[in-house]
Amino acid sequence: QLQLQESGPGLVKPSETLSLTCSVSGASVTSSSNHWAWIRQPPGKGLEWIGTFYYTESIDYNPSLKSRVTISVDTSKNQISLEMRSVTAADTAMYYCARRITATGRHDYWGQGTLVTVSS
Amino acid sequence: QSALTQPASVSGSPGQSITISCTGTSSDVGRYNYISWYQQHPGKAPKLMIFDVTDRPSGVSNRFSGSKSGNTASLSISGLQAEDEADYYCNSYTTSSTWVFGSGTKLTVL
Repeated sequence: QLQLQESGPGLVKPSETLSLTCSVSGASVTSSSNHWAWIRQPPGKGLEWIGTFYYTESIDYNPSLKSRVTISVDTSKNQISLEMRSVTAADTAMYYCARRITATGRHDYWGQGTLVTVSS
Repeated sequence: QSALTQPASVSGSPGQSITISCTGTSSDVGRYNYISWYQQHPGKAPKLMIFDVTDRPSGVSNRFSGSKSGNTASLSISGLQAEDEADYYCNSYTTSSTWVFGSGTKLTVL
């Protein structure tokens, strides 16, 4: 059974860097069957796609966040990481990682999410 | 990129049917069949209900169905049940190699 678990600090100061990790069990982050996405949801608002890591090691980012975001993979730990620089209060959100099956629009497994608050 | 357009709210009585629309453009909904729908209950992670316009994952009730016409995708729920009350989001791939979500629809079961 595939499981995704997000982790990271719950509180980040404005202008600092947010760093989150998604630990994957039950599948390999380098499998050609899987792509890995980060998605966020500000409190009381809708879902926003942040970016997707493809098994080919290419990455697509939301254009509105691209200049501040880096997604990477640690194959030794089977983890996907998200780094977001120069955060502001607008980056306060629940952050989810999700698996998308290759060649489909199927984001079928999601982590439970981790809440990040940006505040001094 | 702009969010796909969904009605803010829809409602129906138990046993009735409802449809939620998701309107995009010829660069996303109208171009690809990578259209999916997610159900989200308060405090929970989104759950996949429909993918690739019409397909249902194993375990999802056949009361849920999807369709697409032009730049608009739709999620239909028949035989409404109290447990269907939730927020629903559509999602589409785009010609910019990005993914975009809908603005979200709150379904109320009266």
